[in-house]
Amino acid sequence: QKEVEQNSGPLSVPEGAIASLNCTYSDRGSQSFFWYRQYSGKSPELIMFIYSNGDKEDGRFTAQLNKASQYVSLLIRDSQPSDSATYLCAVLYNQGGKLIFGQGTELSVKP
Amino acid sequence: EPEVTQTPSHQVTQMGQEVILRCVPISNHLYFYWYRQILGQKVEFLVSFYNNEISEKSEIFDDQFSVERPDGSNFTLKIRSTKLEDSAMYFCASSEPRLSGADTQYFGPGTRLTVL
Repeated sequence: QKEVEQNSGPLSVPEGAIASLNCTYSDRGSQSFFWYRQYSGKSPELIMFIYSNGDKEDGRFTAQLNKASQYVSLLIRDSQPSDSATYLCAVLYNQGGKLIFGQGTELSVKP
Repeated sequence: EPEVTQTPSHQVTQMGQEVILRCVPISNHLYFYWYRQILGQKVEFLVSFYNNEISEKSEIFDDQFSVERPDGSNFTLKIRSTKLEDSAMYFCASSEPRLSGADTQYFGPGTRLTVL
């Protein structure tokens, strides 16, 4: 059973702080990893993807991948109240495009 | 910016009725997907579709479900005889694959299906 695990939270951080969101996955052969943001009642919105070990930065967001530890993380710098949402980690398991999602981490950024 | 669109935004149906959920993927994308999310639960993969045939389907996608690309723009999900447990948000997604295979998937706004 291929699984993606996230802490459901809620994770609460003050405005301006760094939010750190974590994800582990079970299939060592996985190659592609995605972070989506989902506001309540809305669809998943792509934040960023990462394929290679190490860090990938895009504005206030940094994704980190450690394939040896089967671990993906997302850092949000200078968190804003508008960042309050559920963050979904997703792993692409094969070339057919099946994304396996974690249950999501609810982030709350307090003004 | 191109986006995936879905209609209707909300569908209410009686148990046992057939429903068709419609999607217009991003125009230059080649892979199409359906996912569902039951309230409070994970987003779950249903099916992927490429070159007019199903690439992969989950165990949820049983004989009651079917997908079709009836023309050059629409992608549909049909549920033949709806059950109460089919009530969920259904998301369509599409991707433009890299040379190595499927790539980043962009999601539509979803159709909320309520089965009474």
